[in-house]
Amino acid sequence: EIVMTQSPATLSLSPGERATLSCRASQSVGSNLAWYQQKSGQAPRLLIYSASTRATGVAARFSGSGSGTEFTLTISSLQSEDFAVYYCQQYNNWPQTETFGQGTKVEVK
Amino acid sequence: EVQLLESGGALVQPGGSLRLSCAASGFTFSSSSVSWVRQAPGKGLEWVSAIHSDGPTFYAASVKGRFTISRDNSKDTLFLQMTSLRAEDTAIYYCATTFVGRHDYWGQGTLVTVSS
Repeated sequence: EIVMTQSPATLSLSPGERATLSCRASQSVGSNLAWYQQKSGQAPRLLIYSASTRATGVAARFSGSGSGTEFTLTISSLQSEDFAVYYCQQYNNWPQTETFGQGTKVEVK
Repeated sequence: EVQLLESGGALVQPGGSLRLSCAASGFTFSSSSVSWVRQAPGKGLEWVSAIHSDGPTFYAASVKGRFTISRDNSKDTLFLQMTSLRAEDTAIYYCATTFVGRHDYWGQGTLVTVSS
């Protein structure tokens, strides 16, 4: 099974600051990686797929990069609505399996 | 507008069974792959199962042999039959559309609690 490791577990930042979230795969997943945002009490929302493609309606301040085993989600300037938990997901072996990282919480400093 | 509405969550005893449903609308359900993803209280996301538009099914190792995913394309509904439930199956269960692995749309989830 491919293990996804996200870092840091918690990121404490102020509105307007840049957020950089990391996701590492235990083996190469190519560009088969997605990022999701989950706010408290809500379902996850797709932000990024294919490592760097923004989903429909996602603000341009969100960007994804990386391939193989190292991936990054960047929020260029944090807005109040961006404080949430972010998960990466690999789907390189889809449909047989897929795995999520444990999440990074972006909180207000 | 794509909508997914889960139902069927409940409190059930260990060893019991439960059937979850997910009513879909706003897209061509019969042509879509769909999945179940769960989230234990205070924990992260865990993929559970998927079913393709043409029928093949896939399961996480943790539920294989106990859970069965199915669909009724005439009613635009996805199901998850859960048997031999364990405490560790306690979670919010989400249904989600699936396109080559990514989940574009999610329902709001239904809570399953396994406890005596």
